[in-house]
Amino acid sequence: AQSVSQHNHHVILSEAASLELGCNYSYGGTVNLFWYVQYPGQHLQLLLKYFSGDPLVKGIKGFEAEFIKSKFSFNLRKPSVQWSDTAEYFCAVNEADGGSQGNLIFGKGTKLSVKP
Amino acid sequence: AAGVIQSPRHLIKEKRETATLKCYPIPRHDTVYWYQQGPGQDPQFLISFYEKMQSDKGSIPDRFSAQQFSDYHSELNMSSLELGDSALYFCASSLDRRMAMNTEAFFGQGTRLTVV
Repeated sequence: AQSVSQHNHHVILSEAASLELGCNYSYGGTVNLFWYVQYPGQHLQLLLKYFSGDPLVKGIKGFEAEFIKSKFSFNLRKPSVQWSDTAEYFCAVNEADGGSQGNLIFGKGTKLSVKP
Repeated sequence: AAGVIQSPRHLIKEKRETATLKCYPIPRHDTVYWYQQGPGQDPQFLISFYEKMQSDKGSIPDRFSAQQFSDYHSELNMSSLELGDSALYFCASSLDRRMAMNTEAFFGQGTRLTVV
């Protein structure tokens, strides 16, 4: 069965600091990878996604993530965070192999608090 | 652009009551997913539908049932509600991934259910 691990439960940064949130998954086949952001009391919004091709993907709001297949990782990065980035971040995967149903498996989430 | 619409946004029910949550997918999306997110938890997949048929089943309790209608909207029916059912219920829609691999799911705003 697939699983997704996010290493940091809560990250606290000052504005302008750099951010890297870890995400590892376990699955032997081909996966699609996603990062979602959830602002307090809000729904999940897609930040970026990886399906194939260039392993470095750029998303909205200055976020990027790098897929490293050998490490089963898809870490999220941002060079300089803002107070408005305070939110919870979820890494998610689904199977890209034929015959799978597409439902997402989420990590436990990382809460990011940015101090002004 | 049209998004996934969920209703109601908030719902308060007493224990042992029933609740019905509705989800209207993005036009032309024929796959619907339901997720449950408990307080401070990651979203957990409940059930999905493709072309009005149940596609996949996750951790959905037997007290819950769901269906997808001819207009592709979906309803999640919850009976004998328990305090532990209090959560944010998200619906997501996508194009059938078996026809269009590497499609992404778009999430609705969620229904916050509080059982008292």
